[in-house]
Amino acid sequence: DSGVTQTPKHLITATGQRVTLRCSPRSGDLSVYWYQQSLDQGLQFLIQYYNGEERAKGNILERFSAQQFPDLHSELNLSSLELGDSALYFCASRPGTASVGTQYFGPGTRLTVL
Amino acid sequence: GQQVMQIPQYQHVQEGEDFTTYCNSSTTLSNIQWYKQRPGGHPVFLIQLVKSGEVKKQKRLTFQFGEAKKNSSLHITATQTTDVGTYFCAGPGGATNKLIFGTGTLLAVQP
Repeated sequence: DSGVTQTPKHLITATGQRVTLRCSPRSGDLSVYWYQQSLDQGLQFLIQYYNGEERAKGNILERFSAQQFPDLHSELNLSSLELGDSALYFCASRPGTASVGTQYFGPGTRLTVL
Repeated sequence: GQQVMQIPQYQHVQEGEDFTTYCNSSTTLSNIQWYKQRPGGHPVFLIQLVKSGEVKKQKRLTFQFGEAKKNSSLHITATQTTDVGTYFCAGPGGATNKLIFGTGTLLAVQP
């Protein structure tokens, strides 16, 4: 158990819908990262938050947004869902933003868009 | 942009055989990390290498960081069925040190 929790574990929805994925980082970790993992794209970095502020953006679509709340949990919002958005979404946390140090991954949310 | 490639994409071995995956970055890395993802699981940190030419061992696993800090390898001696999974290397990229993950190598071990 990494100490990072994600809810829900599974999500099945229809195209055009909007969903929210939730992540609680390890106690004390200020940085939260979101990744998308699909069969053909590997682990793709989406976005990073540090202590409530956005720090870095990766290949995140405009239909996707995220935020980190004062209690440090984070939410990833996916809207106008398309079939291609079906994937595993992981969040990871770490204490800070230094270049050294591991990221601790949550168990992921499997999103299926029908 | 920065890219991290791994080869092979997939390797199938008989239990007891050795296995190696190679990781190559398009840019010099300050450090490299290795993660393992079991089927249906999430990436789990294995190790971090920081120094040029560094070699670290964890039981049957040997990790190397290249002299130029642009490549790395993971070697598993005498594979076991518990080694099954995808192995990813990852290096920090950009000003905020977000991790750039390699393409991964899926290891299948036949008993």
